[in-house]
Amino acid sequence: GAVVSQHPSWVICKSGTSVKIECRSLDFQATTMFWYRQFPKQSLMLMATSNEGSKATYEQGVEKDKFLINHASLTLSTLTVTSAHPEDSSFYICSAREGLRDSTFGSGTRLTVV
Amino acid sequence: GENVEQHPSTLSVQEGDSAVIKCTYSDSASNYFPWYKQELGKGPQLIIDIRSNVGEKKDQRIAVTLNKTAKHFSLHITETQPEDSAVYFCAASYSSGDKLTFGTGTRLAVRP
Repeated sequence: GAVVSQHPSWVICKSGTSVKIECRSLDFQATTMFWYRQFPKQSLMLMATSNEGSKATYEQGVEKDKFLINHASLTLSTLTVTSAHPEDSSFYICSAREGLRDSTFGSGTRLTVV
Repeated sequence: GENVEQHPSTLSVQEGDSAVIKCTYSDSASNYFPWYKQELGKGPQLIIDIRSNVGEKKDQRIAVTLNKTAKHFSLHITETQPEDSAVYFCAASYSSGDKLTFGTGTRLAVRP
């Protein structure tokens, strides 16, 4: 079945620094990737949708200059949290799909900003 | 946009009993309704889904029902086991593979 690998699984960074999260499709071509954010004991909220080779589409309220998404290949998308602050601490989860097929979730990245 | 409400927020059942989680959605254009199980520190795992042309779907101890007229769908887990303990999320989208709008989650505890 479709497998999505997300790395790292957890990361701690200092306030003001940037951190990159990778999302890879291992056995299919991810033409579309979604990035979600989940605060503790809350639901998953969509941050942005990216199609390979195109600029990401951000949901209302998500700062595109703070959450940089790159989807330059059919197997890799990255989310960079720039100038991270403690309020950015969250669980970030990607999902990927090939064409119009069902999407598959990654295992998530726990970001803690200190 | 779509809005999905989910109830209850917490549910505790005795092992062997059934558990039911209910969701309602607002956008009549939604056609795909998946359910996810999320364990602590992990990504959501798809456990069952249903499309709008079907009223009910079953997979062993898990079943989902959909009432498109009333815009609500439910997850039914029978013969619950302690390993069923997790947070369950319903979601809705226009089609499978499309962006999902999630419910608020239900924390299920199965007491041995």
